[in-house]
Amino acid sequence: GQQLNQSPQSMFIQEGEDVSMNCTSSSIFNTWLWYKQEPGEGPVLLIALYKAGELTSNGRLTAQFGITRKDSFLNISASIPSDVGIYFCAGQLSQGAQKLVFGQGTRLTINP
Amino acid sequence: DAGITQSPRHKVTETGTPVTLRCHQTENHRYMYWYRQDPGHGLRLIHYSYGVKDTDKGEVSDGYSVSRSKTEDFLLTLESATSSQTSVYFCAIRGGSNTEAFFGQGTRLTVV
Repeated sequence: GQQLNQSPQSMFIQEGEDVSMNCTSSSIFNTWLWYKQEPGEGPVLLIALYKAGELTSNGRLTAQFGITRKDSFLNISASIPSDVGIYFCAGQLSQGAQKLVFGQGTRLTINP
Repeated sequence: DAGITQSPRHKVTETGTPVTLRCHQTENHRYMYWYRQDPGHGLRLIHYSYGVKDTDKGEVSDGYSVSRSKTEDFLLTLESATSSQTSVYFCAIRGGSNTEAFFGQGTRLTVV
């Protein structure tokens, strides 16, 4: 079953606000990926993380690989209308084959 | 954009009929994945491949089979489609462990 817990499931914010979301697991991961999906499209990669403690930015987006390797965080600063969409975390487990497991997604809605 | 193409993009089929979805890549990536996306469930792994003729099951593999006879193509077959297999199906490709995964545009399948 699902091994990643992503929260919150949905967010309703005002334009200009900062956004935070996270994924947690009881398992250890050695790769974390964050994606954004817009209606009718496939997920698009935002940020990739490969080392515990790593902090990586992509414009107004910042993501961190948790030091315990069991969690990851995504922050969006100064949100704008085009940030609307569903954000997914994905992780590769340290053990086993090359599977990627996904969180259930965070749906972001922005009020202008 | 990653060279990944899914076909067909939309399909309506009747219960009990066989259906094959195709994923084609031009990146020569080793790993290919099939996911299904349903409301409230995020992306769930059906099957994946780690090389030609090398495949393994994901978390929701019942009722699905796959084949990979060459690097660029990964086929997903529903032997006898059921209404519970109505979903959006995404293919993803990945060059190796600890690398990013890139998604196709998706196939919307409706089983009536």
